[in-house]
Amino acid sequence: DIQMTQSPSSLSASVGDRVTITCRASQTIRNYLNWYQQKPGKAPKLLIYATSSLQSGVPSRFSGSGSGTDFTLTISSLQPEDSATYYCQQGHSAPTFGGGTKVEIK
Amino acid sequence: EVQLVESGGGLVQPGGCLRLSCAVSGFTVSSNYMNWVRQAPGKGLEWLSVIYSGGSTFYADSVKGRFTISRDNSKNTLYLQMNSLRDEDTAVYFCARRLTVAGEPMDVWGTGTTVTVSS
Repeated sequence: DIQMTQSPSSLSASVGDRVTITCRASQTIRNYLNWYQQKPGKAPKLLIYATSSLQSGVPSRFSGSGSGTDFTLTISSLQPEDSATYYCQQGHSAPTFGGGTKVEIK
Repeated sequence: EVQLVESGGGLVQPGGCLRLSCAVSGFTVSSNYMNWVRQAPGKGLEWLSVIYSGGSTFYADSVKGRFTISRDNSKNTLYLQMNSLRDEDTAVYFCARRLTVAGEPMDVWGTGTTVTVSS
């Protein structure tokens, strides 16, 4: 199985801050990397697929980049409603998820 | 409107069995890649199984031989038969559609059903 490692596991930032979350795959996954947002008690929501394609309806402050084994999710200007846990997931083989990054608002 | 609604969760003893259902509206189950994903309390997401449009099925090692994914095309419903349940199967179980685009992301999810395995 391909292991996905996210960092940091949690962060606290202020409204308006630029936030970056990283995800590393244990082997190359080309650009087959997806990002999800999950709020407490809710199902995950797809934000970005194939590394950098924004899912319909997702605000443009979310963006993704990377290739091979190293990927990044960026929130350009953090908003209160972005408080959530974020997961990366590789779609190169049987899906595996990163451990999650909990984003809190200061 | 696209909607996935899981049901069938509950409390079951170790070694017991349970069948989860995922009733789908807004698209055809048999034309899509349908998945089960779970989340143990306070933990991350774990993919469990997929049934492809052609009918092929695949499983995570953690549930292979114990869980069976299936679908009823006439009811547009996805199922997960769970046998030989263990304490570590306690989780919220989600069904999700996986798109056939690069990355095969899961774009639509149900609200989840809770399974508790305990004596």
